[in-house]
Amino acid sequence: GIQVEQSPPDLILQEGANSTLRCNFSDSVNNLQWFHQNPWGQLINLFYIPSGTKQNGRLSATTVATERYSLLYISSSQTTDSGVYFCAVPPRGGLGNLIFGKGTKLSVKP
Amino acid sequence: DSGVTQTPKHLITATGQRVTLRCSPRSGDLSVYWYQQSLDQGLQFLIQYYNGEERAKGNILERFSAQQFPDLHSELNLSSLELGDSALYFCASSVGPSGLYNEQFFGPGTRLTVL
Repeated sequence: GIQVEQSPPDLILQEGANSTLRCNFSDSVNNLQWFHQNPWGQLINLFYIPSGTKQNGRLSATTVATERYSLLYISSSQTTDSGVYFCAVPPRGGLGNLIFGKGTKLSVKP
Repeated sequence: DSGVTQTPKHLITATGQRVTLRCSPRSGDLSVYWYQQSLDQGLQFLIQYYNGEERAKGNILERFSAQQFPDLHSELNLSSLELGDSALYFCASSVGPSGLYNEQFFGPGTRLTVL
């Protein structure tokens, strides 16, 4: 089945710093989603981005489907950005459930 | 707030017991997905229903079952509980029958602790 790899696994930042999180996937996909799991466990939708670039405030995402990767950019990070960031894709030939990467754990220090 | 609701938020029970988790999808969504998040297995897909019918199955144990009712809410039943079933259970919903082309929105989760 499709493999989803995220890097780095852990990231510690000072408040105000910028970061780039990467998601590689092993097969072509029809869609890709980025989520933020906050310290209380909630999974929050960030982007639905099968291809191209989207921006939402300090966050932006780019998916290059032909090269099988997606990037999540966080600018001017805040302590509330802490948590785990997941990317997820539906497996090719599947019915649309999402396959999740193992996540990037981000800690933003004040 | 994603619009997907799950109850209860927390559940503590003993081994061998049975519990029911409930999910209401976003208004207008016909698909409901159940996922399990455990420390060792990460986020894993369990089962999907679309408009009352089972549509896809993932790594769901035989001790687990689910259904989607005419009002589109769904229930996940977990029986003969074991310590290893302790996890965060998420429900997600989407508009169409296939998550291939539809964004999935997740509920707040039910944290199950089996003692």
